[in-house]
Amino acid sequence: KNQVEQSPQSLIILEGKNCTLQCNYTVSPFSNLRWYKQDTGRGPVSLTIMTFSENTKSNGRYTATLDADTKQSSLHITASQLSDSASYICVVSDRGSTLGRLYFGRGTQLTVWP
Amino acid sequence: EADIYQTPRYLVIGTGKKITLECSQTMGHDKMYWYQQDPGMELHLIHYSYGVNSTEKGDLSSESTVSRIRTEHFPLTLESARPSHTSQYLCASSESGGGYNSPLHFGNGTRLTVT
Repeated sequence: KNQVEQSPQSLIILEGKNCTLQCNYTVSPFSNLRWYKQDTGRGPVSLTIMTFSENTKSNGRYTATLDADTKQSSLHITASQLSDSASYICVVSDRGSTLGRLYFGRGTQLTVWP
Repeated sequence: EADIYQTPRYLVIGTGKKITLECSQTMGHDKMYWYQQDPGMELHLIHYSYGVNSTEKGDLSSESTVSRIRTEHFPLTLESARPSHTSQYLCASSESGGGYNSPLHFGNGTRLTVT
C-alpha cells in the first residue's frame, strides 16, 4: 500500500535552533517528493521538489534530502524563526498515471518559541 | 505567491442548504484540483480537471460536483449540505508543461461548517 509517514507529529523548538523533520514513504513507482509549508488558516506553499536523481535541494534556510534507496527524506530548517511555525507536509508523487497521483503525509506541526 | 483565490474563506450554513465554493486562478493553469483537509489529517483529492469541460472524481468519495467552463474557474457545489461535510476545502492548480514535477499552487481554503 502506498503510504507517506511523517515524524515527529509535532515539535517545539526555540528560536534560532535547527531542526530536522522526517518523511518515510512506500510509494512506487516513485516520481518525485515534495515538501510544503502550511501556515495556520492558509493553503500549503511549495518548498522543494526532488526527483529520483536529486539527493539534496535547498530553499533558503530549508534543505531537503532524499534517499531513494531507503525511501526516506528529511527537511532541515536552519536558524529557525518564529515565522517557521507551521505544518510541514511531505508529498510523494507516483508515475502510475498521467496525473501523477500524489500521496500526502499528515504533516509535522512545528512551533518555534521566542 | 500564487494567484489562486477561494471564496468564501469561512461559511456556516444549515443542513440541507445548497452551497457553491468558488475557486479562480489567474496563472492560466490547465490542471485544477479540489482537496478536503481535516485537522491533523492528510489532504484527500475529491475532484480534478485537466482543462475546460474536463472533470474527474478523485480518491475520496464526495457528494459534491464541479464544473470547468472556463480555464480560470473551478467551482465546487454541494446540493444539500450535511454536518458530515464540515471540513476545510482547498483548491489548487498546476501547469501542464512541467509534467509530474509541476508544483501545486494552493488557495487559502474555505472552512465549511454545516450545523
